[in-house]
Amino acid sequence: AQTVTQSQPEMSVQEAETVTLSCTYDTSESDYYLFWYKQPPSRQMILVIRQEAYKQQNATENRFSVNFQKAAKSFSLKISDSQLGDAAMYFCAIEPNSGYALNFGKGTSLLVTP
Amino acid sequence: GAGVSQSPSNKVTEKGKDVELRCDPISGHTALYWYRQSLGQGLEFLIYFQGNSAPDKSGLPSDRFSAERTGGSVSTLTIQRTQQEDSAVYLCASSFIENYGYTFGSGTRLTVV
Repeated sequence: AQTVTQSQPEMSVQEAETVTLSCTYDTSESDYYLFWYKQPPSRQMILVIRQEAYKQQNATENRFSVNFQKAAKSFSLKISDSQLGDAAMYFCAIEPNSGYALNFGKGTSLLVTP
Repeated sequence: GAGVSQSPSNKVTEKGKDVELRCDPISGHTALYWYRQSLGQGLEFLIYFQGNSAPDKSGLPSDRFSAERTGGSVSTLTIQRTQQEDSAVYLCASSFIENYGYTFGSGTRLTVV
């Protein structure tokens, strides 16, 4: 079984500042993948970033980067130079290499203020 | 198509009626997934298709729920005798390669009154 915990129901950041969203997980799998998805009011889940658990190097996509701590089972998302368009629900998710179903956390609502 | 298309976008139905939700995945994506998103339960996995077959139906909440996929493309999720607890957003996603992340549609918001 796999579980994902996002301990911050809501976060707020000022435009141009940096914010970090927390995610911890639990899994008995040795090989798995971690994801952050963004869900704006349009409801469509958009893939933000992906991390392969066997890679030590933290994934980066433009202003988005992760801090992946495998031993601690932690996978936080850092958003730099926050923009108004970053406001959304952010979901952390895990998928085993041997499986196909994403297990999601409950989400963090990010508010970006001018 | 360019993205995953779901219809209808919103559906209001009376308790006890049957509903069909449609998902049109990205062309060439062999894997298709249905999830349910509700306030109390978060995002729940419902069913997974690889081609036309569904190797995992374990997430379907009851025998009132069924899904099919034809021609390795369009999928329909059917809910019979709808109940108020079925009210949720039903999200469909597709992928070409597993473990690389899915492309989601915008969902169908189902309201049972």
